[in-house]
Formats: sequence, C-alpha cells, structure tokens
Amino acid sequence: DAGVTQSPTHLIKTRGQQVTLRCSPKSGHDTVSWYQQALGQGPQFIFQYYEEEERQRGNFPDRFSGHQFPNYSSELNVNALLLGDSALYLCASSARAGARNTEAFFGQGTRLTVV
Amino acid sequence: KNEVEQSPQNLTAQEGEFITINCSYSVGISALHWLQQHPGGGIVSLFMLSSGKKKHGRLIATINIQEKHSSLHITASHPRDSAVYICAVRSDRETSGSRLTFGEGTQLTVNP
Repeated sequence: DAGVTQSPTHLIKTRGQQVTLRCSPKSGHDTVSWYQQALGQGPQFIFQYYEEEERQRGNFPDRFSGHQFPNYSSELNVNALLLGDSALYLCASSARAGARNTEAFFGQGTRLTVV
Repeated sequence: KNEVEQSPQNLTAQEGEFITINCSYSVGISALHWLQQHPGGGIVSLFMLSSGKKKHGRLIATINIQEKHSSLHITASHPRDSAVYICAVRSDRETSGSRLTFGEGTQLTVNP
C-alpha cells in the first residue's frame, strides 16, 4: 500500500516563474492538506482540499492556488515566484475532512529553491 | 506567542540517555501529534494522542489536557534517533477541520 507520494522531490525555479507540485494521497484517504516549511521552522498550513474544493486556507497570498482531482490527488500551484517561496512543501492526506481524530500521513516533500 | 511551543529547541545526548521533549499549546485541541523528521524532509507520524499515554517501543508520549501539555520520551536513546521531533495539534474548533498547527521542532542529536 503506497503512502503519500509527492513529485518532484526537488525543483529549482527562477523568480517570477510558476511552479506546480503534485501529491497522491494514501489509499483510502480523500482529504489533502498542503504545508510550507521554511528552513529551521515548523510547517505552516497553506490550504486543504476535500471533494475537489478548497475547504480551508491559511495565511497565504492568492499566488498560491490548488486543485483536487476526482481520484483525490492534488496539485499546488505557485505563481510569480519570490525568493521567499523557497521551502519544503509537504502534502498530508487524511480521511474525512473535518473528522476530529483522523490521523494524517505525510509525503516526503518537494524541496523548492527559487533563484 | 505561537499556539504551539516546544522545548528545548536543540538537545544533544549521549547514547543510552533518557530524553524528554516538551510541548505546550494554548488552544483547545481534539488531538495532538508527535512527528519525526529526518534530514531530507519526510515526516513520519509517531503518535496521535487525545488523552493519557501511548507507548511504542522505546518511545512514550503523554498528554495532560487540563494543563495543555504533552511530553515525548525516548528511553535508551540511540544515534539513529537523531532527527527533528515536531509537536502538532488539531484545534477542536469546528471551523478548523483537520488542519494541523505545528511547533518549531526540537533538533535531537544522539552521540555514540
């Protein structure tokens, strides 16, 4: 049973470019959350998708957008990249959005470097 | 002040020592997670707690809901335990859904 898979693992982009990161949730999970982790800090919540809709959003600008597909996989898009967007982007999947005691499983992350 | 505070930020131990990492939070929660992150980034869930105590091998996690405090203990520490340990909470507010709020992490180094 595959866990949460993210692609690519590493990515280098130039300021102003756009990037798309991908996540496939653990089998049986229907909810995907995205987090940004800057170096030396804890992850920060970006947004969560359930039933192909953005259900919750953290304090991130509109340059950060996402999508969820019918098979529950998800994409994170970042437009007009800034140097400060360099971070590890983590995807977490869980079952049943809003369920209080659902356990989250994390992918290995995508390391994005903006130069 | 962050909603989730961990201490210490950095911890160096000798192999075999008993280790404690602390987590305090300021919001009502429905669950608390202890997570492990190795260099390279991937996060592994160690425990999910809503009350009491859980044990898995040499790892023990406890939570005191009234005091809003949790501890992660590692017995007979080993160099392979070296990693960042992160505490994360799920708020009990309905509007928060299943999103997690993370602490800054504790960098643990266990020397042989």
